Amino acid sequence: KAGVTQTPRYLIKTRGQQVTLSCSPISGHRSVSWYQQTPGQGLQFLFEYFSETQRNKGNFPGRFSGRQFSNSRSEMNVSTLELGDSALYLCASSLGGLAESSYEQYFGPGTRLTVT
Amino acid sequence: GEDVEQSLFLSVREGDSSVINCTYTDSSSTYLYWYKQEPGAGLQLLTYIFSNMDMKQDQRLTVLLNKKDKHLSLRIADTQTGDSAIYFCAETLPSYIPTFGRGTSLIVHP
Repeated sequence: KAGVTQTPRYLIKTRGQQVTLSCSPISGHRSVSWYQQTPGQGLQFLFEYFSETQRNKGNFPGRFSGRQFSNSRSEMNVSTLELGDSALYLCASSLGGLAESSYEQYFGPGTRLTVT
Repeated sequence: GEDVEQSLFLSVREGDSSVINCTYTDSSSTYLYWYKQEPGAGLQLLTYIFSNMDMKQDQRLTVLLNKKDKHLSLRIADTQTGDSAIYFCAETLPSYIPTFGRGTSLIVHP
């Protein structure tokens, strides 16, 4: 079974631009969660999508948004990029959602975003 | 404090046991996790423990949970060079949002 894939793996953008990152979950998984990992703040939860609906959201500004398609693939969008958005963005898929009684999350390799 | 806390570094000799410690924040957390991250890779779930358990063993890994002190530890027996990585502990808050520690870099030397 193929793992979680994320595209692109590396991205360089300029301040003020917007970016869209993609995540394909493991086949059969319905939940996709997104995380931001930086040296300063560590690993922080962005949001979770389950069956095309956002079910949980972390403490990030509205510039960070996402969506999930009927095939469970998910995209994350960041508008008006700032230097501080430079980070490794990880997505994770799970069979059930975060609100299930038990779950295991499988992480993708991440997209390394650099904002200049 | 409000953060999940871990020490930043741990250095051990190959063949020794490693013990990575974590203090979490919320006594009502339902699940507590240990993840491993190797360079250039995402996080790999190693093991998790439900909050009503004290201990869980899985091959070379032993997780101990002290709910009173909100302390979680991961013991790796017979540590190998391939175990060198960053280890994250995480808790699931009642809101189901996971909170991660900053990670402990485990360095295994011959």
